[in-house]
Parts: sequence; structure tokens; C-alpha cells
Amino acid sequence: AQSVSQHNHHVILSEAASLELGCNYSYGGTVNLFWYVQYPGQHLQLLLKYFSGDPLVKGIKGFEAEFIKSKFSFNLRKPSVQWSDTAEYFCAVNVLFKLTFGKGTLLTVNP
Amino acid sequence: EAGVTQFPSHSVIEKGQTVTLRCDPISGHDNLYWYRRVMGKEIKFLLHFVKESKQDESGMPNNRFLAERTGGTYSTLKVQPAELEDSGVYFCASSPSAYGYTFGSGTRLTVV
Repeated sequence: AQSVSQHNHHVILSEAASLELGCNYSYGGTVNLFWYVQYPGQHLQLLLKYFSGDPLVKGIKGFEAEFIKSKFSFNLRKPSVQWSDTAEYFCAVNVLFKLTFGKGTLLTVNP
Repeated sequence: EAGVTQFPSHSVIEKGQTVTLRCDPISGHDNLYWYRRVMGKEIKFLLHFVKESKQDESGMPNNRFLAERTGGTYSTLKVQPAELEDSGVYFCASSPSAYGYTFGSGTRLTVV
């Protein structure tokens, strides 16, 4: 069975700092990878996804992620965070319609 | 386009009572999913409907949970009788295919 590991439980940054959230997955076959975000009081929203092709994927709000197959990783990055990026971030892998999520990383950005 | 709607948004019930959660998917989405997040844990898959049929219910915790999808439209998830460990946030999602999930806002269930 597939699994997803997110390295950080809670990350605290100041505005304008760079962000990298780690995600590793375990699954032997072809995977589709996702990052979701949940802002306070809102529903889960898709930030970006990787299916195939260019391993560097760009998403909404300036986020990007890099798929490194040899490391089974799909890390999320943003060069300069804003206070409005405060949210919980989830990495997920989709196999046969089913999403398997990591435990989530809570990001707090201080103004 | 209307999103995925879940209600209630919050529910507080006593142990042993019954609770029914409802999910209205995006119109035309054949695939409907239920997920759950227990506090401090990851979001976990419960089950997947294709139209009115259960495609995969491997994540259902036990037989106190019953999910239905009437006529391939809205879905209900009933917990009977509720236990303390059932507390958490229940998410519904729908999709037109294997991908393209849209999630609802979730129902926060508290069993006391």
C-alpha cells in the first residue's frame, strides 16, 4: 500500500522568507502527486499536481513543486511567503481513484 | 458552478447516538468520495461511489458506518451508534474522472 510522509509538522516563517516543505511517498508504480492547501475555515483546495512530463510543476499563488523520482520526493517550494499563505498543506498521492495523504504541515507566516 | 456541499458543518452528539452527514456533489460528477481526519492524524479514505454503486469501501472503519448514495446524486454517511473515536472532520469530494477532485468544506463531528 502507498504511504506519504511529510517531514514537518509545523513551520513558522516571517514574511518574505523562502519555503520548502518536504514530501516523500512510497509506491512502486506510476503515481500522480498533489499538494493541497486548507486555509483557516475553508475547504481543501488544489495547489498543484504532477501527472507526467516536466518534473518541475507550477501551481497557484506562486507555489511550485519538484518531482524527483529517484528520491520518491515531491517537495513544495515558494521563494517568498506572505502572511496570507498561513494554512495547512497536504501532500497526496493518487492511486486508482484513491488519495493517500500525508499528515499535513501547518505553516504560520508572521507579518 | 456550485461546489461540493456538506451539511451540517458541525455536529455535537452524545456517545451512542446516531448522526447522518450529507454530501451534495457537483452535478454530473459520477465519482463521490468520503474521507475522514481524526485529530492529529492524516486525512484517510473511507469509500468511493461511482454513481450509486460502492466502488471501494476498504477504508470504512467498522459496521457502525453506513454510506449510501441515492440515485447517484447526494450521499449520506450514517454513524450508528457513535463512539468517542469517531470524532473528527469528515470530508466529501467529487470528481468527473479519476482525477479532478473537488472537496467540500467538511463536517466537524464531535462525540461527547
